[in-house]
Amino acid sequence: EPEVTQTPSHQVTQMGQEVILRCVPISNHLYFYWYRQILGQKVEFLVSFYNNEISEKSEIFDDQFSVERPDGSNFTLKIRSTKLEDSAMYFCASREAGATEEQYFGPGTRLTVT
Amino acid sequence: AQTVTQSQPEMSVQEAETVTLSCTYDTSENNYYLFWYKQPPSRQMILVIRQEAYKQQNATENRFSVNFQKAAKSFSLKISDSQLGDTAMYFCAFMKATWYAGNNRKLIWGLGTSLAVNP
Repeated sequence: EPEVTQTPSHQVTQMGQEVILRCVPISNHLYFYWYRQILGQKVEFLVSFYNNEISEKSEIFDDQFSVERPDGSNFTLKIRSTKLEDSAMYFCASREAGATEEQYFGPGTRLTVT
Repeated sequence: AQTVTQSQPEMSVQEAETVTLSCTYDTSENNYYLFWYKQPPSRQMILVIRQEAYKQQNATENRFSVNFQKAAKSFSLKISDSQLGDTAMYFCAFMKATWYAGNNRKLIWGLGTSLAVNP
């Protein structure tokens, strides 16, 4: 059964460094999402992406964040200058076209900013 | 803005018993979806069951069923005949229903309930 994959599973970086989190959505899906979960807090929506552009972003998704679908298979989240408060689990999800509501999730990348 | 509340951080149940996880939500929308997602340890979240708000009938998927009370804004999950493999984090989530192409359909999440099924 097709799955969403994410790499790396754990990333440790120093404050101020750039990180790129990678996701490979399910191949025939057209809608892509990033969510994050800070330890002990709710999962939060960051951004949705459709037709090669952002369709919605949350207040969290400021200028330090960007998303890209560089090659038709990968979907990346870049944080330009990481802060301590960016430490969280980042989940990628994808959804097929049409009226379906189900989002399929990757296993997450744990980002630790020191 | 929509909010989802899960008031039970942890629960446990004996194998083969029945357990109910609670979820309440707040919204001014009339059309929406509600979901229960399961996240086993170190694995990805998978959809357990979903409910369309316009449907009065409660959704059922094998051993999983919901009690959807729209007026009370309550959406509980019942797991019957609990199995060891049901041990996981369970998240309740809300999605506003929109009908145009390209809509983002973001999920609004509860804090989760950690369920342990004991042998």
